[in-house]
Amino acid sequence: NAGVTQTPKFRVLKTGQSMTLLCAQDMNHEYMYWYRQDPGMGLRLIHYSVGEGTTAKGEVPDGYNVSRLKKQNFLLGLESAAPSQTSVYFCASLTIGVGNQPQHFGDGTRLSIL
Amino acid sequence: DQQVKQNSPSLSVQEGRISILNCDYTNSMFDYFLWYKKYPAEGPTFLISISSIKDKNEDGRFTVFLNKSAKHLSLHIVPSQPGDSAVYFCAARGGADGLTFGKGTHLIIQP
Repeated sequence: NAGVTQTPKFRVLKTGQSMTLLCAQDMNHEYMYWYRQDPGMGLRLIHYSVGEGTTAKGEVPDGYNVSRLKKQNFLLGLESAAPSQTSVYFCASLTIGVGNQPQHFGDGTRLSIL
Repeated sequence: DQQVKQNSPSLSVQEGRISILNCDYTNSMFDYFLWYKKYPAEGPTFLISISSIKDKNEDGRFTVFLNKSAKHLSLHIVPSQPGDSAVYFCAARGGADGLTFGKGTHLIIQP
């Protein structure tokens, strides 16, 4: 059982380039999230999805787009990368089963924008 | 404005002693609180949680206390072990729109 898998693990981009980060979960979870973590900071929510075909903005959505075409996948896109987007990106998923449930996280994508 | 605050960036504790990590919050709408543990180059791993209707939850060596009137929660680890050395994040939930995290406390267990 892989849980939450993020691809790629590392990437270096030049300013202005675009790329897509992939998050896949095999737990049949309904909700999925994208966070970023910067040095000395906690995780901050970028976008989230409460189901296939639906997305919503989080705390820091500017410069990012997301899509959830399949329940198990949540994609984070950078259309024109900027140095301020250098960060570690974490994906998480959550089941809305009985009672309170924790989010489950992937191991992150370390992204550097030059 | 930070809604979840962990005011100690680091904490050093001797092996076998109790580790106490603290967290304060400002949003009264938070109804579920979690602690995550994070090792370098890995994602956060869920440790323990507590609902706002409770004031204590235990799981083995880990206990979380919640004081709603003070908007304060704490994580107790006893006895502390070398493998507990990690960054600990306090997080709070106010709805479906994700978790709000503190900045983390780096716990170092000294042999």
